[in-house]
Amino acid sequence: QQQVKQSPQSLIVQKGGISIINCAYENTAFDYFPWYQQFPGKGPALLIAIRPDVSEKKEGRFTISFNKSAKQFSLHIMDSQPGDSATYFCAASSMESGNQFYFGTGTSLTVIP
Amino acid sequence: NAGVTQTPKFRVLKTGQSMTLLCAQDMNHEYMYWYRQDPGMGLRLIHYSVGEGTTAKGEVPDGYNVSRLKKQNFLLGLESAAPSQTSVYFCASSLAGGYGYTFGSGTRLTVV
Repeated sequence: QQQVKQSPQSLIVQKGGISIINCAYENTAFDYFPWYQQFPGKGPALLIAIRPDVSEKKEGRFTISFNKSAKQFSLHIMDSQPGDSATYFCAASSMESGNQFYFGTGTSLTVIP
Repeated sequence: NAGVTQTPKFRVLKTGQSMTLLCAQDMNHEYMYWYRQDPGMGLRLIHYSVGEGTTAKGEVPDGYNVSRLKKQNFLLGLESAAPSQTSVYFCASSLAGGYGYTFGSGTRLTVV
């Protein structure tokens, strides 16, 4: 059973456009929601993370929107650039589960120049 | 400033062979993890450790064993490799609960 459901599986965006990736979860015990960026042949790298006490977090061109009641969170990449082309994973964890992260299945983002 | 180092980076095994993957971190992190990454399935947790001398099962532990004899090292063992264990394996560490992971660069394992 997938603890975190991610969509879309792939996304193609024009340079300068907005990329939006969505995730949904069921376990209300989750209290930490990070996004990871992975380039081919590399390990995932932490991009941005949010805790459920806030509804939005912004770092540069990257924003997480969090809807606790709907149990959904999303990543918005503003002014998307070709260098943003990568696979993005959302994840969720809870302190009570030994900080195990449950990952979404990933979104392959391609930004066209 | 190495972070998380995984060895080896690539390996080909024959069915039934055994091997150990080594993960080393130099950030004094308490928690360490082993994940496998397969196309269309994201990252799935194999085993994890919340401190030296401790280990626990994750989502897909069958066919794997782990040990954490030293805080900085976390070993993943395959006793009798099977083709279903062909995957990319990632080690990660975190300072404690509620913190993000630092991942290694991965080990690509092929079992033939």
